[in-house]
Amino acid sequence: DAKTTQPTSMDCAEGRAANLPCNHSTISGNEYVYWYRQIHSQGPQYIIHGLKNNETNEMASLIITEDRKSSTLILPHATLRDTAVYYCIVRVTDTGRRALTFGSGTRLQVQP
Amino acid sequence: SAVISQKPSRDICQRGTSLTIQCQVDSQVTMMFWYRQQPGQSLTLIATANQGSEATYESGFVIDKFPISRPNLTFSTLTVSNMSPEDSSIYLCSVEQLNTGELFFGEGSRLTVL
Repeated sequence: DAKTTQPTSMDCAEGRAANLPCNHSTISGNEYVYWYRQIHSQGPQYIIHGLKNNETNEMASLIITEDRKSSTLILPHATLRDTAVYYCIVRVTDTGRRALTFGSGTRLQVQP
Repeated sequence: SAVISQKPSRDICQRGTSLTIQCQVDSQVTMMFWYRQQPGQSLTLIATANQGSEATYESGFVIDKFPISRPNLTFSTLTVSNMSPEDSSIYLCSVEQLNTGELFFGEGSRLTVL
């Protein structure tokens, strides 16, 4: 699986947009970009995933660069409950290893 | 999304004993995975639980220490054998949903070994 690089930690003011970057320069053509988050003492929660087009759902938006070497997760209006560790993961879904390989993630602290 | 129940949610065990963790899903799933999360660390994949065949273990994990069963498409167990304090971790079950390919996680089983 392609390796991802994320900042160790970030702060964001409540009500502002949180933009979490991720580098995945060795991503393969059949690997999707997934985002999960883990709120303290809970299991990881799926947020969003995409292949090459930008994606949006009720939780967040995912912006993938044209060369697919990096992406940004956007939480449009961060709340205190969004404080968590956010994991960017690349994953093959069609064949072979399909488990998620977690890096160290970005610890997002939303400040009041 | 798939709803995953893990039991026990937490336990305190004595060194040398074994504990079996159960993972029950409310729908049929293709793949089931077991992860370990040591204190302050990220998640590490232990094994993939295959229905009807032996589990596939990752480097550093062996069947004698972490035997896994998967008798059907909705249930799996992970046993932590001959426990030592180094096994104190959160153990998480994850499933791949049949029709979407998305992965979901249980809330984890927090194990403390004294």
